Amino acid sequence: DGGITQSPKYLFRKEGQNVTLSCEQNLNHDAMYWYRQDPGQGLRLIYYSQIVNDFQKGDIAEGYSVSREKKESFPLTVTSAQKNPTAFYLCASSNFTGYDMNTEAFFGQGTRLTVV
Amino acid sequence: AQTVTQSQPEMSVQEAETVTLSCTYDTSESNYYLFWYKQPPSRQMILVIRQEAYKQQNATENRFSVNFQKAAKSFSLKISDSQLGDTAMYFCALKSFGNEKLTFGTGTRLTIIP
Repeated sequence: DGGITQSPKYLFRKEGQNVTLSCEQNLNHDAMYWYRQDPGQGLRLIYYSQIVNDFQKGDIAEGYSVSREKKESFPLTVTSAQKNPTAFYLCASSNFTGYDMNTEAFFGQGTRLTVV
Repeated sequence: AQTVTQSQPEMSVQEAETVTLSCTYDTSESNYYLFWYKQPPSRQMILVIRQEAYKQQNATENRFSVNFQKAAKSFSLKISDSQLGDTAMYFCALKSFGNEKLTFGTGTRLTIIP
């Protein structure tokens, strides 16, 4: 089945540690995204990537890093510099925009990160 | 920069009634897509409807329709004959041609009352 897989579903981190969230897609999409969602809040864009080996900062990139070495994979690292990392993280992918193309984003199930 | 604003944090409506969720946006691009997504308690994001800015006709998907006012930069979602399963967070989103940045609003929590 085609889709986006995020792992793990739940993740616990000690303060001061880096942690990496996995996101894999087999939809052959070029663009991939990472969002952060806090309780009762909207989705805030952390990073996005249009093609392999290229990515752009979103609105809240500080304390996070990403890589895009393969088209299928877009891992997110939450570094110790992120002051308040406890949140729900969503990964998404989509085709490029274009006339009469399906360009909506498809989402993974999310990872709930808790700092202990 | 592109922004999306949803000014209704919460709404509730009786089952079988019609409800309209508001969304305004801002972008300097002339070509873009607009979306409404639904997030039920499972937290899985589900596409409800999409609208291409270059198309005049408002999009419709069964009980869901939009009122797209390009000049006013407004994109509202109308849900007809609301059902209990429509209870969810609803997010409006904008994606401009070329830069692929997908921006979401803060969401509207919709509750359908039996």
